[in-house]
Amino acid sequence: ILNVEQSPQSLHVQEGDSTNFTCSFPSSNFYALHWYRWETAKSPEALFVMTLNGDEKKKGRISATLNTKEGYSYLYIKGSQPEDSATYLCAFKGGNNRLAFGKGNQVVVIP
Amino acid sequence: EAQVTQNPRYLITVTGKKLTVTCSQNMNHEYMSWYRQDPGLGLRQIYYSMNVEVTDKGDVPEGYKVSRKEKRNFPLILESPSPNQTSLYFCASSLLSGTGGNSYEQYFGPGTRLTVT
Repeated sequence: ILNVEQSPQSLHVQEGDSTNFTCSFPSSNFYALHWYRWETAKSPEALFVMTLNGDEKKKGRISATLNTKEGYSYLYIKGSQPEDSATYLCAFKGGNNRLAFGKGNQVVVIP
Repeated sequence: EAQVTQNPRYLITVTGKKLTVTCSQNMNHEYMSWYRQDPGLGLRQIYYSMNVEVTDKGDVPEGYKVSRKEKRNFPLILESPSPNQTSLYFCASSLLSGTGGNSYEQYFGPGTRLTVT
């Protein structure tokens, strides 16, 4: 079973503040790193899929970076808003087409 | 509308009574997968399929079966459900990652909440 770790497990952020969290994954046999956003009572929705070392992706106020050599990815939220409250999941894909998810970063934005 | 559908959405059953959770996608995706979500454990992959008649075990396949007779459907079968299979189940689909370094996002169904008593 692949070890995909996300930290911190949960965080509270004041509205307007920026925040970031980490996904660490095996640095060997890397194929892709996915980020998903999961709101309560809904299904996970894809944010980013990254495959190359050094990749940076952005969607609105949310961005992500990837370091495959050291096995980590950062997700950033700039100027957090209450609608950003969700659990953010990262998932590691190795060469065997299996997808291993971390336990998620639960974000609560306080108005 | 592009979507992944699952049925039923909620199910309460008893130990040992065989059940099937259906999953269907209308995006012509090759890759389909089943996950279970349990508190504190995150999403864990049960089985996945890369195309018709091609299925493989994920991290937690024990107690489950799947089949992929048609590209659009990927049912999850619990032959003899037990209480430890009480969970929230998600089906997902995507295009199949190629050898050119691309990888594709997964589209998730709405989830099936299963309770086995």
